Amino acid sequence: NFMLTQPHSVSESPGKTVTISCTRSSGSIASNYVQWYQQRPGSSPTTVIYEDNQRPSGVPDRFSGSIDSSSNSASLTISGLKTEDEADYYCQSYDSSNLHWVFGGGTKLTVL
Amino acid sequence: EVQLVQSGAEVKKPGESLKISCKGSGYSFTSYWIGWVRQMPGKGLEWMGIIYPGDSDTRYSPSFQGQVTISADKSISTAYLQWSSLKASDTAMYYCARLPRPAGDYGDYWGQGTLVTVSS
Repeated sequence: NFMLTQPHSVSESPGKTVTISCTRSSGSIASNYVQWYQQRPGSSPTTVIYEDNQRPSGVPDRFSGSIDSSSNSASLTISGLKTEDEADYYCQSYDSSNLHWVFGGGTKLTVL
Repeated sequence: EVQLVQSGAEVKKPGESLKISCKGSGYSFTSYWIGWVRQMPGKGLEWMGIIYPGDSDTRYSPSFQGQVTISADKSISTAYLQWSSLKASDTAMYYCARLPRPAGDYGDYWGQGTLVTVSS
């Protein structure tokens, strides 16, 4: 079993770039795909990155995902921040040992 | 267009039973896993379990095993999440999601959520 750890909150100004990290506690981050879900207040989650760095159609290319084996972490980077990006972001991966999903605790992004 | 439409909000008393639904459309319902996720008030997302409607293969998170039942009726493209005896601690928003890969390892499309309130 492993955990995914995210910062509780981040804030940045409109037009800037922000990166949200997601660190895997044990096992390689590259072992299983990492996804990122955006949840705006009062809305259901939507997938903004899947399979580490793939963007669903309709998600702006301002959103990008990556993994870093040296820090055993995944990152979501949002460039050209807009106020509409203000949301909670959750990383999620898969535990092959027990076939279960694992969610990070979520990061509240404030765009001010 | 892929859509997952969930049943409406429910208000129940402790000890009552409940079954909420998630109807899929715009894709082959029997060919994709469906997952259920809980979000308690002000909290993060928790994975509850998944079902493959094609053969009803089901997997549960240890945290929810024995507490809920996940099922599906492929004839009407609908997945279900049910409780036999609700507790106040079941008060939460519940989301279903379609899982695009055979491994069932993540969701791509999400339902709008069903709010379940359990209060005496």
